[in-house]
Amino acid sequence: QQPVQSPQAVILREGEDAVINCSSSKALYSVHWYRQKHGEAPVFLMILLKGGEQKGHEKISASFNEKKQQSSLYLTASQLSYSGTYFCGTARSNAGGTSYGKLTFGQGTILTVHP
Amino acid sequence: NAGVTQTPKFRILKIGQSMTLQCAQDMNHNYMYWYRQDPGMGLKLIYYSVGAGITDKGEVPNGYNVSRSTTEDFPLRLELAAPSQTSVYFCASSYSRGVGQPQHFGDGTRLSIL
Repeated sequence: QQPVQSPQAVILREGEDAVINCSSSKALYSVHWYRQKHGEAPVFLMILLKGGEQKGHEKISASFNEKKQQSSLYLTASQLSYSGTYFCGTARSNAGGTSYGKLTFGQGTILTVHP
Repeated sequence: NAGVTQTPKFRILKIGQSMTLQCAQDMNHNYMYWYRQDPGMGLKLIYYSVGAGITDKGEVPNGYNVSRSTTEDFPLRLELAAPSQTSVYFCASSYSRGVGQPQHFGDGTRLSIL
């Protein structure tokens, strides 16, 4: 089942912050985050594995709440280059506590940063 | 280092025609994937492979076939093209199980069925 992302779209001015959420109704093993610019391929941002960890990459960080089956992507002090569509991809946990290795992607969140 | 290479980049097919979308990676990745992305939508998994000779269906496999005879290549075959298969097709690869490793995407093939 496809994870649900919110919001569907967000508009920012440079320097503002944003949060993008990804929720699943299934138990998750991991969450991937990707950014895609118009007409280009998705580009990997980060992976979060079950365990509730938080990761950071420059001014972009993310958290993963395994119990709530949710992940959030935090964009701090946004730059023009942050514009694009952000996708979460989720891998479900199986009965053995690992995963089958397939990702299911959300519908995407369109982020637009204006000067 | 080329990464994931997809050919062709663009193609227009007539209804009922067949074609093969090529995908090759030079990173010695075990896992390879085919996705389709419809306008304004997310990625949907068509087929994936965990190694040479091993393939499995994803969410939307109907109308497609795959084979994996080598680690490097993972072609996607469309038989009897239909307008519903108009989409952008992305091939991706990862070092091992996709859950713990990033997927590297090719630039995509934009396919129109008329």
